Amino acid sequence: AQSVSQHNHHVILSEAASLELGCNYSYGGTVNLFWYVQYPGQHLQLLLKYFSGDPLVKGIKGFEAEFIKSKFSFNLRKPSVQWSDTAEYFCAVNADNAGNMLTFGGGTRLMVKP
Amino acid sequence: DAGVIQSPRHEVTEMGQEVTLRCKPISGHDYLFWYRQTMMRGLELLIYFNNNVPIDDSGMPEDRFSAKMPNASFSTLKIQPSEPRDSAVYFCASSLAGTGNYNEQFFGPGTRLTVL
Repeated sequence: AQSVSQHNHHVILSEAASLELGCNYSYGGTVNLFWYVQYPGQHLQLLLKYFSGDPLVKGIKGFEAEFIKSKFSFNLRKPSVQWSDTAEYFCAVNADNAGNMLTFGGGTRLMVKP
Repeated sequence: DAGVIQSPRHEVTEMGQEVTLRCKPISGHDYLFWYRQTMMRGLELLIYFNNNVPIDDSGMPEDRFSAKMPNASFSTLKIQPSEPRDSAVYFCASSLAGTGNYNEQFFGPGTRLTVL
């Protein structure tokens, strides 16, 4: 079975700091990769997704993620965070043997101090 | 499209009572997923349906939980009897069939359940 690891459970940054959240998965076949964001009290929303092609994916609100197949990683980055980025971030993987199921990581809670 | 609709948004009940959570997926979506989110366990997949048929219910915690999808536009998650440890936010999500771009799941606003 696939698993997804997000090693940073809690991250605290000041505004304008750069962000990188780690995501690693454990499946050797073809994958589709997602980052979702959950703002306080809200539901999960898609930030960005990777299916094929350029491994550097740009999403909404200045976020980007890079798929490194050799490292089984899909890290999320943002060069300069804002207070409004305070949220929980979930990495998710769809493996080619899992139908439409997504396997989610445990989430990373980001707090941005103004 | 209105997106995934869930009701109620908040539910407070007493231990032992039956609880029914409702979900209306996005029209045309073939897959429907039920998740539970708690501080301790994060986001857990409980069950998912394809074309109204349950495909994988291995995440359903115990027999007190049951889910149905009588038609393409409606699903229920029932807990009977409810226990305080069932307190959580329950999310419903839906997606299209197929691979690649179709795997994106769209989440509803969730139902916050509190069992006293």
